[in-house]
Amino acid sequence: AQTVTQSQPEMSVQEAETVTLSCTYDTSESDYYLFWYKQPPSRQMILVIRQEAYKQQNATENRFSVNFQKAAKSFSLKISDSQLGDAAMYFCAYRSATGGYQKVTFGTGTKLQVIP
Amino acid sequence: SAVISQKPSRDICQRGTSLTIQCQVDSQVTMMFWYRQQPGQSLTLIATANQGSEATYESGFVIDKFPISRPNLTFSTLTVSNMSPEDSSIYLCSVAGTTNTEAFFGQGTRLTVV
Repeated sequence: AQTVTQSQPEMSVQEAETVTLSCTYDTSESDYYLFWYKQPPSRQMILVIRQEAYKQQNATENRFSVNFQKAAKSFSLKISDSQLGDAAMYFCAYRSATGGYQKVTFGTGTKLQVIP
Repeated sequence: SAVISQKPSRDICQRGTSLTIQCQVDSQVTMMFWYRQQPGQSLTLIATANQGSEATYESGFVIDKFPISRPNLTFSTLTVSNMSPEDSSIYLCSVAGTTNTEAFFGQGTRLTVV
């Protein structure tokens, strides 16, 4: 079974600074997707960024970028120019790309605090 | 991206009663998913609901406790039956995106059982 591990329960960053959230995963598959989701206090799970395992190029979405290391099974999220609205729980997630749509497995989350 | 509406957004219920949570999607989707998020925890999949067939439950979840309906391609309900305080959680509805890669979520239902 696939597992997703987030070893940082909480992180803090000064506004306008850069922060990196860590994620590792375990799988025997070669084709899969990785995601970072943001959950603010409103509870809404919001997709931040997606990475396909077959792509070597790291995904970027505006201030958000990932460092995807497939051999190391590592998938970190970098938030640049942090804003107060970035404060939330961040979940790393994995989904197999084999055999149709598969369920998403989530990590335990990292609570990000942004300090003004 | 899909727009997902969940009702109710929150509720406080007495133990022993049942609550039905509704999930409405703005487009037709084959698969809908129900997750539970216990306080301070991550998301755990309860079941997958396909239209026209019985829901598939994950280990540790049973139909008698969490019956699910899926009457059409845009709607599903999850019932939390015979509730106890341990059922106090956020329950989230989810669907796959049109490209069948990422998942989209409703705003969740915060359930408190007293």
